[in-house]
Amino acid sequence: SQQGEEDPQALSIQEGENATMNCSYKTSINNLQWYRQNSGRGLVHLILIRSNEREKHSGRLRVTLDTSKKSSSLLITASRAADTASYFCAASGGSYIPTFGRGTSLIVHP
Amino acid sequence: DAGVIQSPRHEVTEMGQEVTLRCKPISGHDYLFWYRQTMMRGLELLIYFNNNVPIDDSGMPEDRFSAKMPNASFSTLKIQPSEPRDSAVYFCASSLAGEETQYFGPGTRLLVL
Repeated sequence: SQQGEEDPQALSIQEGENATMNCSYKTSINNLQWYRQNSGRGLVHLILIRSNEREKHSGRLRVTLDTSKKSSSLLITASRAADTASYFCAASGGSYIPTFGRGTSLIVHP
Repeated sequence: DAGVIQSPRHEVTEMGQEVTLRCKPISGHDYLFWYRQTMMRGLELLIYFNNNVPIDDSGMPEDRFSAKMPNASFSTLKIQPSEPRDSAVYFCASSLAGEETQYFGPGTRLLVL
């Protein structure tokens, strides 16, 4: 299984601080995605990083990928209360079908 | 586009009853996925279709679960008979061939009493 495992399970920070979430996976991947899930909603795609990329940015999001360590991190800079959500990584191998982790629950206090 | 549509949004039923969940994927998408989300097990892939054909149903927990996709714009997930341990949020997602990004519906929150 390519399943990603997020760390930490829960993260609580103040508005304006940076939030870092990590993801580890088991075998070789073609790409890794990050999704956000607001309470009571479906998952929303944030960013995809391919196995030959090391870093990618999208607005306040920065994703890194270290294939030698089989790990990725998601950094949210200058967090806002609206960033409060669960964040999931999803790793895709040969089948290109992503396997989701359990998620990190982020709370940003105003 | 309206996005992935799921119905009902909430379902409360009694143990032993049949439950049918419905999904309309984004028009033009080739892949359709059914997931189940619980606190204990996280997000589990139950089954996925490509061009209306079931490709991998290894995640379907048992024979009580069945899924169909009679055409490109409609899929159902049926549980018969339902049990309390089936209580969860069920998501449908779709994607385009060649693109790994999945688009999720709002989910169906199922409670089996």
